[in-house]
Parts: sequence; C-alpha cells; structure tokens
Amino acid sequence: SQTIHQWPATLVQPVGSPLSLECTVEGTSNPNLYWYRQAAGRGLQLLFYSVGIGQISSEVPQNLSASRPQDRQFILSSKKLLLSDSGFYLCAWRANTREQYFGPGTRLTVT
Amino acid sequence: AQSVTQLGSHVSVSEGALVLLRCNYSSSVPPYLFWYVQYPNQGLQLLLKYTSAATLVKGINGFEAEFKKSETSFHLTKPSAHMSDAAEYFCAVSRAGNTGFQKLVFGTGTRLLVSP
Repeated sequence: SQTIHQWPATLVQPVGSPLSLECTVEGTSNPNLYWYRQAAGRGLQLLFYSVGIGQISSEVPQNLSASRPQDRQFILSSKKLLLSDSGFYLCAWRANTREQYFGPGTRLTVT
Repeated sequence: AQSVTQLGSHVSVSEGALVLLRCNYSSSVPPYLFWYVQYPNQGLQLLLKYTSAATLVKGINGFEAEFKKSETSFHLTKPSAHMSDAAEYFCAVSRAGNTGFQKLVFGTGTRLLVSP
C-alpha cells in the first residue's frame, strides 16, 4: 500500500531564515505530487504540483519554491521566510481515480 | 470552471443526532466529488468519493453522501453522531487545469462540533 511521509512534523523558524520541507511517497511510482498550505482558519491553498522529476508548476507566485529531485521525493523551500509563510503544509499524491492522499503535515511557525 | 461551496463554517450537533454537512458544486462537465475529514494537526483523510458509478456513496466511519445532479449538491450525512466525529470536513471537486493536469478544488471547510 501507498504511504506518504513528511518531515519535520513541526518547525519554528525566524524571519529571514531558509526553509526545507520534505515529502516522500512509498508504494507507487511516478506519482503526481502536490504541496498545499493551510493558514490559520483558512482552507487549503494549492502551492505547487509536479507530474515528474524536475517538472514543477506553481499555482501562486510567492516566497516559496519546490523541487522534485527524485521520482517519489518532493521538496518545498524558501531562501528567506516571511511571517506570512506560517501555516500547516501538506503534501499529497494523486491516485488514478483522481482522489488525493495526504501526508501528516508540517506545522511551520515563523517568528 | 469547477468549484464547490460549503454552506456553514460551523455545524453543531448532539451526540446521537443526525449529521448533515452541505456541499454544492459547480461544474460544466460530470464532476468527480470528494469529502475529506481533518482532525486537529493532522493531514486530510478521504471519507468518500463520487465518480459517477452510483449516486449514493458510502464511506468510512458510517458517513455517506448523495449526488444530486438536479440540485448540484453532494451533501454528507451520518445517521448518528459520535464524539469522535468532531473535526473539520472538506468537500472537493476534481478539475482539469490548463495543461490537462488534474487538481482538486476544495471548499472552505465545515467544522463539526459534537456535544454530549
């Protein structure tokens, strides 16, 4: 069966510091992968998606970037964090029947 | 373009009462619809999905949803609420992007509160 991992689970970073969040998927090959953010009290915002290694599409221009160095690895990064980057970050992969399966999430607090 | 609207940001029920969470969709093509549940500080868990096979869809934890094309609705129900059902629920519709890539468009969520 498929499993999706995210780490770290929680992160507290100062403004201006770099960021790297990692997501890995097991049990499937060439998955479509997604990064979402949930700000406090708000819904899910799609940030990036990827159909394959090195193929990244951005939904919203912002302070973040994404990379896919391996088939089942998806990384979310920032060179300099802003206060507004705080939130709950979720990685997901899509099944052939269109539903997405989510990882446990990373709680990021920028101070 | 496909979208979903969830009516009511908060719904309160008593334990044992009927749960009804509302979702209306907008789609120019036959939609794929989903309900997810999110517990505090956790990822989203798929409750059920509609993919045009049957209009009444049964999911996990005793939840079900009925697709009504005439009403463009996909409401989530459970006959008897449990305390453990307290969570946030999201309705979503699958949408093809400009490049044909499939995305999910989520509603703003409904927080279900269950009182003893």
